Amino acid sequence: DADVTQTPRNRITKTGKRIMLECSQTKGHDRMYWYRQDPGLGLRLIYYSFDVKDINKGEISDGYSVSRQAQAKFSLSLESAIPNQTALYFCATSDFYGYGYTFGSGTRLTVV
Amino acid sequence: TQLLEQSPQFLSIQEGENLTVYCNSSSVFSSLQWYRQEPGEGPVLLVTVVTGGEVKKLKRLTFQFGDARKDSSLHITAAQPGDTGLYLCAGSGEGGSNYKLTFGKGTLLTVNP
Repeated sequence: DADVTQTPRNRITKTGKRIMLECSQTKGHDRMYWYRQDPGLGLRLIYYSFDVKDINKGEISDGYSVSRQAQAKFSLSLESAIPNQTALYFCATSDFYGYGYTFGSGTRLTVV
Repeated sequence: TQLLEQSPQFLSIQEGENLTVYCNSSSVFSSLQWYRQEPGEGPVLLVTVVTGGEVKKLKRLTFQFGDARKDSSLHITAAQPGDTGLYLCAGSGEGGSNYKLTFGKGTLLTVNP
């Protein structure tokens, strides 16, 4: 099994729909992150969590929310999807020092 | 906001050639990481450098962290088609922000057989 598993791998949804992307990790790390990747813009941080009770906004959190259900699980929700949220979404985890992230394989989300 | 500039943005070379990719910033980083990303997959960590002037080698790949910890380079010797991918540098900052990585936009490398 992969160290970081994201579901679904691909999703097409309609404008205005609520959608949840899920992430689970087997690394045993406390720190988890959600990034989105857009052509020409690179990877941008949406939310990060240091542990189950510590969740923080990243640089582009508007329109997104997260839930840390357990040390191993961190989900990302789009409350009301809009077309400019079409992107590749990655979940990642790291140890305390952050010297190397482990990424999932990503979710390709298309909002039509 | 700490910015990382990568150059070149695109690089297309023939198998067997050498290449260098650069990652530069005006900010000091406590660590600099390099990742490779293949289409449809997440970035995979290649190396982390933490000491100014540090050089690390991974087979045909050589990574260097600048003395001032503001820049880094990745050199590939005798490139092979399997080296094709998007190379990303990422820095974690000084002053308590070690947990958040700032990514460059990447260098898309194509190695032609």
